[in-house]
Amino acid sequence: QIQLVQSGPELKKPGESVKISCKASGYTFTDYAMHWVKQAPGKGLKWMGWINTYTGKPTYADDFKGRFVFSLEASASTANLQISNLKNEDTATYFCARSGTTRYFDYWGQGVMVTVSS
Amino acid sequence: DIQMTQSPPSLSASLGDKVTITCQASQNINKYIAWYQQKPGKAPRLLIRYTSTLESGTPSRFSGSGSGRDYSFSISNVESEDIASYYCLQYVNLPRTFGGGTKLELK
Repeated sequence: QIQLVQSGPELKKPGESVKISCKASGYTFTDYAMHWVKQAPGKGLKWMGWINTYTGKPTYADDFKGRFVFSLEASASTANLQISNLKNEDTATYFCARSGTTRYFDYWGQGVMVTVSS
Repeated sequence: DIQMTQSPPSLSASLGDKVTITCQASQNINKYIAWYQQKPGKAPRLLIRYTSTLESGTPSRFSGSGSGRDYSFSISNVESEDIASYYCLQYVNLPRTFGGGTKLELK
């Protein structure tokens, strides 16, 4: 069955970096794009951008340009999100979600809670 | 960017009620709207795509309709397992944008 399994929760200090992963299984990884979605505590969903899993090209939403990097380990069917110079406002749950040519998000990872606190 | 205005932000219903949530897009989205259910601590779950197509496994008490800029999502005969937050998503173009969400609570 199709699964997106994300890495575990992270506790970081301001200024540090974090890398979270999203491992796909049950389908051909490069046939579907991977998106990233942020959800701050008690807030709604915000699209961060996506990565073309065939070419590796990332596209970032305006609010996520600069400190955010999407990458792939295609041989391991894994997409990664790295956030550098962490700020308190990066405290959130980060979801990966796949989309096909139909463009909506059909499968989601379970989410990774990143807490930034001094 | 397309803005998705979702209302109401919260909704109180009794078991068996019918509830309706609306999303208005800032421009025509040609029916490219999906609806998601999210329970606390869980990932969103796709319920409806392309305005009104129920995803496999979505109970028939859920429905969607609309066109152009205006869309709605309904639950007839609310059940206890429907208590959750609901979000619309436009996927006509980038950036993808979500509605602000609707929290459904039991009266």
